[in-house]
Amino acid sequence: EAGVAQSPRYKIIEKRQSVAFWCNPISGHATLYWYQQILGQGPKLLIQFQNNGVVDDSQLPKDRFSAERLKGVDSTLKIQPAKLEDSAVYLCASRYQGNTEAFFGQGTRLTVV
Amino acid sequence: AQTVTQSQPEMSVQEAETVTLSCTYDTSESDYYLFWYKQPPSRQMILVIRQEAYKQQNATENRFSVNFQKAAKSFSLKISDSQLGDAAMYFCAYAGNQFYFGTGTSLTVIP
Repeated sequence: EAGVAQSPRYKIIEKRQSVAFWCNPISGHATLYWYQQILGQGPKLLIQFQNNGVVDDSQLPKDRFSAERLKGVDSTLKIQPAKLEDSAVYLCASRYQGNTEAFFGQGTRLTVV
Repeated sequence: AQTVTQSQPEMSVQEAETVTLSCTYDTSESDYYLFWYKQPPSRQMILVIRQEAYKQQNATENRFSVNFQKAAKSFSLKISDSQLGDAAMYFCAYAGNQFYFGTGTSLTVIP
């Protein structure tokens, strides 16, 4: 079974630029999560999708972050414009149903300079 | 809102010894799951063990076991016969309607 795919693995941008991350979940997994993990901290949930609908985006900074999951499969997370404090690893995870664990991609390390 | 607390930022253990990592959580939900994930420097989150809240029996997976105290909302991880490969960040996670993580415990294994 293929795992959760994320790209790119690394990205360096200047502040005020825009960036996009892509995630392809495990086939058949209805739930998809985006997390932000700042160095030395635990993952912080940014947004949760159930199929192509948003379940929870309460911690997503909506003035600069956006996410979509067209057709309920892969997803993109965008930051525009980026700030220095956005430097972090962005993790994507997917889950089959409510009583199973979440499976994670390898993450995208974003550095904003 | 659900919260997950890991009060031990760092722990160390001698190789072959036993170590226990602590986790407490707060929730008003009755149906939920708890997990321990391991995150090595590669950043890949790896599931270590999971516990269904409706089960009284503590989960075990080889050298890993949990002590789940539902009334106290406590979910600790015990690693027996620690190995050098166990060194990593360990995150406790709560899964109900959302999926939340604690702040993590960095485990060092001393040869």
